[in-house]
Amino acid sequence: QPVLTQSSSASASLGSSVKLTCTLSSGHSSYIIAWHQQQPGKAPRYLMKLEGSGSYNKGSGVPDRFSGSSSGADRYLTISNLQSEDEADYYCETWDSNTRVFGGGTKLTVL
Amino acid sequence: QLQLQESGPGLVKPSETLSLTCTVSGGSISSSSYYWGWIRQPPGKGLEWIGSIYYSGSTYYNPSLKSRVTISVDTSKNQFSLKLSSVTAADTAVYYCARHVLVGATYGWGQGTLVTVSS
Repeated sequence: QPVLTQSSSASASLGSSVKLTCTLSSGHSSYIIAWHQQQPGKAPRYLMKLEGSGSYNKGSGVPDRFSGSSSGADRYLTISNLQSEDEADYYCETWDSNTRVFGGGTKLTVL
Repeated sequence: QLQLQESGPGLVKPSETLSLTCTVSGGSISSSSYYWGWIRQPPGKGLEWIGSIYYSGSTYYNPSLKSRVTISVDTSKNQFSLKLSSVTAADTAVYYCARHVLVGATYGWGQGTLVTVSS
């Protein structure tokens, strides 16, 4: 089954941009993933689905500041013009016909 | 607008069975487009998928939990349920119910419910 690897933490300044990475395991580089945001004390929220081509589809109400891109087995979430409310944990997710997997999550700190 | 709401005991004794129900509103659990699933998050840790069910009753489970998990669906009540047997302290977590697209992303999440395993 696929494995997703994420850095445990990231930080960036208010108003700047940050790029978070989710890496698919060997043999699974073509998989589609999803990004989810979990603000402190809240349930996760779906952000977008991201294909290996770099094409992405965002959920309802997700700000334009959030975008996705891909390179090989890496899937990226870029947040531009960082706001204080973007400080959260970010999880990637993937799936196949009989399993579903989450990455370990990246804790984003907005300085 | 789709809403998912978890319900069940917040405290379960070790070796007993954890039981939770998710009530779906704003949409039909019998939709052919979706699976319905359970995901948990131990305090301070990441997300772990437990298993998912289709309205027909077809299920698939996390292999690491499969021997202890049963997920069922009641389409007449627009609900699905989780049973996790022989619980230990390691099963203490916030349990979320969720909606997945058929072989696709998790699009909707419940608010979550904390279940503590303790005597």
